[in-house]
Amino acid sequence: QVQLQQWGAGLLKPSETLSLTCAVYGGSFSGYYWTWIRQPPGKGLEWIGEINHSGSTNYNPSLKSRVNISIDTSKNQFSLKLSSVTAADTAVYYCARGSVPGTPFWVAWGQGTLVTVSS
Amino acid sequence: QSVLTQPPSASGTPGQRVTISCSGSSSNIESNYVYWYQQLPGTAPKLLIYRNNQRPSGVPDRFSGSKSGTSASLAISGLRSEDEADYYCAAWDDSLSGPVFGGGTKLTVL
Repeated sequence: QVQLQQWGAGLLKPSETLSLTCAVYGGSFSGYYWTWIRQPPGKGLEWIGEINHSGSTNYNPSLKSRVNISIDTSKNQFSLKLSSVTAADTAVYYCARGSVPGTPFWVAWGQGTLVTVSS
Repeated sequence: QSVLTQPPSASGTPGQRVTISCSGSSSNIESNYVYWYQQLPGTAPKLLIYRNNQRPSGVPDRFSGSKSGTSASLAISGLRSEDEADYYCAAWDDSLSGPVFGGGTKLTVL
């Protein structure tokens, strides 16, 4: 049974860079697309982007200029960096495992990390 | 403003059947699979329906999905108190080149 455990800074100031990491336990790391999704408080879900074990990435066009998703196959971890954050980036950020690139088919999820951007 | 449109709320009494709609367009629902997620308060979303009408193992057959044209629906029969949650539809969007979501429907079991 695959498990995803995520961590990262929960409080940022405007213009800083958000950094989160997600570790994958108990399952294969290859053959999947590792995804970041966020949810502003009281609002809906937004896909941020994904990466496969080879390092191939796909990003949400609306966030592409500020997003970088990377992968460390030696540690079974993948990471999210979002630069120049503003209050609009305040959200719960989730990591998830996708089976098909770009398809919203996510069976395994991390626990979520609330990131608050405030001066 | 979400790309897919869902009613903000729905309700029903125990044992009833409720449906939640999800409206999209030719670039998402009409040409791609629809997925449904259930989100209980304070938890990560859980996949409920994939590829329009398929249930992952462990999801009760009280939950069913359907799609027609640019719309999709999630039906919950034999409503139970534990079904009280937020429900989201999702699909790939060819124009945006990424997955898109509905705004979510809060289901209340009266």
